[in-house]
Amino acid sequence: DTEVTQTPKHLVMGMTNKKSLKCEQHMGHRAMYWYKQKAKKPPELMFVYSYEKLSINESVPSRFSPECPNSSLLNLHLHALQPEDSALYLCASSLREGAGGWDTQYFGPGTRLTVL
Amino acid sequence: DQQVKQNSPSLSVQEGRISILNCDYTNSMFDYFLWYKKYPAEGPTFLISISSIKDKNEDGRFTVFLNKSAKHLSLHIVPSQPGDSAVYFCAASAKLGTALIFGKGTTLSVSS
Repeated sequence: DTEVTQTPKHLVMGMTNKKSLKCEQHMGHRAMYWYKQKAKKPPELMFVYSYEKLSINESVPSRFSPECPNSSLLNLHLHALQPEDSALYLCASSLREGAGGWDTQYFGPGTRLTVL
Repeated sequence: DQQVKQNSPSLSVQEGRISILNCDYTNSMFDYFLWYKKYPAEGPTFLISISSIKDKNEDGRFTVFLNKSAKHLSLHIVPSQPGDSAVYFCAASAKLGTALIFGKGTTLSVSS
């Protein structure tokens, strides 16, 4: 089973709202990732958590706040977003922090975010 | 500067024929390469990968070839099926990093 689940599937929010995206996996993976994908562009890495600790922050604005409450869950808290933040937000996980072999990253279906 | 390039935005193939998707990279530090397939409104699905110590990896209908001297890899799908119609992303990673660097994708259309 290589399933990563994400909720909600779609989210529409105003620029003053606070919302959260949720990601869950039960594969025993200890690394989890947030990617952002704009239309007709490839996914771009935002954050990496390894063993529930933030490992990489790719200079993401502070209006995006990640949280890893336990090894199975990854949240992305959103506050005061801009319309240009509208995108597909993808979560991924891997056995350990990495990208290939045993550490292949498996992706969830994404949350389609629209900021009005 | 794009480190992973997929120069063909789209490819059309007939069912039963071979599909060849190409990918070029510029960073010589890349040592692992992956192909992901993506349907609309879904996340990328891992297809097949190859380490830089190999030049070929095969999994069923999918074969990835790596030419390190040319910094080029390709994905062969034989025989192509209509269900293979999707966007295919080439991705690469370097030993010292965990970020997957994706190409822009190639949309494959397989007609019956």
